[in-house]
Amino acid sequence: EVQLLESGGGLVQPGGSLRLSCAASGFTFSIYGMSWVRQAPGKGLEWVSGLSSSGSSTYYADSVKGRFTISRDNSKKTVYLQLNSLRVEDTAVYFCAKDRRGLSSFDYWGQGILVTVSS
Amino acid sequence: QSALTQPASVSGSPGQSITISCTGTSSDVGGYNYVSWYQLHPGKAPKLMIYEVTNRPSGVSDRFSGSKSGNTASLTISGLQPEDEADYYCSSYTTSTTVIFGGGTKLTVL
Repeated sequence: EVQLLESGGGLVQPGGSLRLSCAASGFTFSIYGMSWVRQAPGKGLEWVSGLSSSGSSTYYADSVKGRFTISRDNSKKTVYLQLNSLRVEDTAVYFCAKDRRGLSSFDYWGQGILVTVSS
Repeated sequence: QSALTQPASVSGSPGQSITISCTGTSSDVGGYNYVSWYQLHPGKAPKLMIYEVTNRPSGVSDRFSGSKSGNTASLTISGLQPEDEADYYCSSYTTSTTVIFGGGTKLTVL
C-alpha cells in the first residue's frame, strides 16, 4: 500500500523558515518524481514544486521561486521542502504527492500538514 | 499564471449526470493531453479520478469520465450517488514545466 506521511509543519513568524518532510513507502520511490501541492484556508489547490526521480531537475511555481527549495533522499525514501522567507500568504495545508508520470498527474497524496505563518 | 476556470458549484439529484468544465489556454489544457481531475472530501487526501484527459485509475468507478475539446476539458459523473458530493479540481501540465489547477467546483448531490 502506498503511503506518504508529511511532517515538519507548524507555526512560524513571517520571514521565518521551516522544512517539511514526506516519508514514502509502498512503491519504488527512486523511480518516480514527487511534488508538493498546497491549499490555503478556504482556497483551492496550488501546485508548489516538483522534482524528478533523481532529484536533478526541480520545478517551482512563480509564487515560491527563490524562497522554497525541493529536494529528495532516495536512500531514505523522503522528499523535502525547505520554506524560507515565509509570508502570511504561505499559510496552507501542504500535501506531498507522487507523480504518476512526470508532472502529468498525481496518483497518490499524503494527508497534508498545516503550515501557519503569523506573528 | 491564473488558475484554470471551473464553475464554482454544480448540483444534481441521485441518478442524474453532471458535467464540470475546466477552461484553460493553448499553453496548458489545449496544448497537452495531461489534464487530470481530483476529488477532495473535507479532511481527506485528494484522490485522482481521471488522468491524461480520459483515463481512469484502477478502482475508480466507470461512472466518472473525462474529455477535452480545444482549451476546455470536462469531467462527467453519471448516475450520481450521495458519496460523489465533494470538491473537484482539474489540473494541467503547462508549457512552463509547471502544473496549474482549476479553482475547484463544489458538487452537491441534492
